Formats: sequence, structure tokens, C-alpha cells
Amino acid sequence: EAQVTQNPRYLITVTGKKLTVTCSQNMNHEYMSWYRQDPGLGLRQIYYSMNVEVTDKGDVPEGYKVSRKEKRNFPLILESPSPNQTSLYFCASSFGSEGKGYEQYFGPGTRLTVT
Amino acid sequence: ILNVEQSPQSLHVQEGDSTNFTCSFPSSNFYALHWYRWETAKSPEALFVMTLNGDEKKKGRISATLNTKEGYSYLYIKGSQPEDSATYLCASLGAARQLTFGSGTQLTVLP
Repeated sequence: EAQVTQNPRYLITVTGKKLTVTCSQNMNHEYMSWYRQDPGLGLRQIYYSMNVEVTDKGDVPEGYKVSRKEKRNFPLILESPSPNQTSLYFCASSFGSEGKGYEQYFGPGTRLTVT
Repeated sequence: ILNVEQSPQSLHVQEGDSTNFTCSFPSSNFYALHWYRWETAKSPEALFVMTLNGDEKKKGRISATLNTKEGYSYLYIKGSQPEDSATYLCASLGAARQLTFGSGTQLTVLP
């Protein structure tokens, strides 16, 4: 089954404790991206990657890191989480070819709470 | 940062009514316009991806149009059904392939 998976789905952590949210896709997509969703603000892009070893900042990259060492994986790293990073996080992927328009396939979401 | 605006924020309609939403986006630096449907407790799912000025797409009772010169897109739902209740998101993809979402239109279809 073609899908984007994220782990963990739910996480409660404390301020300053480094964490990683994994994202993996099995569709051979070039483009991968992370978003956060906060009430009233819609989805905001954190980082995106056009292909392996290529990453770019989205609208809200502060406090986050990403890496793209393999095509299928795009982990999101919070080196020192803070309460304002409490949010619902989505990973998404798409074909990077121009004809596809970068239609996003979303993972199930990760609900993170930082206390 | 691109500014993508959607209106209305929320909408209640009766079953069988037709309705439409608006998405406005900066027309400069434009590459594509996406529409997504997002049901509660699920992940967003793509409805349409449009790239060309004048594009019109249709899927069942839902259709969308695109005007890249003036920077707007309309989403139309004909004969709304309760199962159409969801949040409808639009997103603008810029030339650098950065995707900016609007805050969505929450549609409730009353039986």
C-alpha cells in the first residue's frame, strides 16, 4: 500500500529533551515536507526537500532541523523542544516532476506536547 | 512569505445547496495552486492541482477554477451532502517549490 508513515503518532515530552519524529514514504517521491498545524493558523511549512541531500527552509523553520540522507526518509529533529512547539505535525511527500504539480500525500500526523 | 487568504472561514449550508469558496494568493512567483479536503481526525487529501491560468478541474460534484493573473481560485460544490462536511484548504506553490497554505474554510452541511 502506498503510504506516508510517521512515528510516533503521539508524544508528550519535557522542555529541552531532544526528540526526533520519523517520516517514511514508499512511493519513490522526490519531494518531502514537514508542516505544523495550529488552531486558526492552518498548515505552515517547516522544511522541505526536493531530493536527497537537498533541504530548504519553509515558513517556520526556527527550532527545527531535518535531514534527507535517503530518498524515502525525512526525519524532523527538535534539538531543544519548547512549549511553543506543541502542535500537530504532518509529513508529506510528492513527485518532484513538473507535470505532477507537487500534489502532497500526507502522513497520519504526530501530536506533540511539550511541557 | 506568500500570503494565501481563504474566505469564508466557516460556512453552514443545507443539504442540497450549492456553495463556493474563495482562495486568493500572490500572482507573482506562482507555480501551482492546490486544493485539499481535510476531514476531522484524518489527514488532508488532495482534490485538485492547477497550474495554468484558466484551468478548470472537476471531480464529481466538486469543481475548481484558477485565475493566475489576478491571483484567485474558486472551489464549487454542487448539491452539498452531509459527507462534504470538512475543512477545505488551498495552497500556493511558489517558484522555489515552497508551499503556503491558507487557513481553510470549514464547511458544515446540515441534513
